[in-house]
Amino acid sequence: QQPVQSPQAVILREGEDAVINCSSSKALYSVHWYRQKHGEAPIFLMILLKGGEQKGHDKISASFNEKKQQSSLYLTASQLSYSGTYFCGTEMNAGNMLTFGGGTRLMVKP
Amino acid sequence: EPEVTQTPSHQVTQMGQEVILRCVPISNHLYFYWYRQILGQKVEFLVSFYNNEISEKSEIFDDQFSVERPDGSNFTLKIRSTKLEDSAMYFCASSVGTEWYEQYFGPGTRLTVT
Repeated sequence: QQPVQSPQAVILREGEDAVINCSSSKALYSVHWYRQKHGEAPIFLMILLKGGEQKGHDKISASFNEKKQQSSLYLTASQLSYSGTYFCGTEMNAGNMLTFGGGTRLMVKP
Repeated sequence: EPEVTQTPSHQVTQMGQEVILRCVPISNHLYFYWYRQILGQKVEFLVSFYNNEISEKSEIFDDQFSVERPDGSNFTLKIRSTKLEDSAMYFCASSVGTEWYEQYFGPGTRLTVT
């Protein structure tokens, strides 16, 4: 079942923060986050495994709440390069196929 | 840095024709995937492949589709008789393993069926 992402779109000024959510109606094993720029391939950002871990990479971090079956991606002090569509991909079990959400379109303006 | 490559970048074909999309995964990766993305929509899983056989496939991957690893480097997706609705961007991806390993995506092949 497809995870639900929210919001569908967000516009930011450079330096502002954003949160993108990914929710599932079923228990998850892992959540993968990707960013895709127009006309390009999705680029891997990070994986989170069940256990409620949180990860960070530069000014982009994410959390995974296993009980709520939800993951959130945090973008702090956004840069112009953060613009793109963010997809979460979820796995029900280890080694399962990734099911992607509908995407969140993020636009960062100067 | 190693990367997944795909050819061609754009393929135009007539309805009913067969097409083969080619991918060269990262050399030490063992798991291979095909995804498609219809313009403006989300990425959809088609099939995963490991140890020379399909490990998982989605409902989209019907009898019109097949995958093959004809040699040690290429991974192909064949669509036997293309339909208009097969028009999409097709991404190949590969990973070292399945648990905790990210999937690296290729640049995609844009398939246009006329």
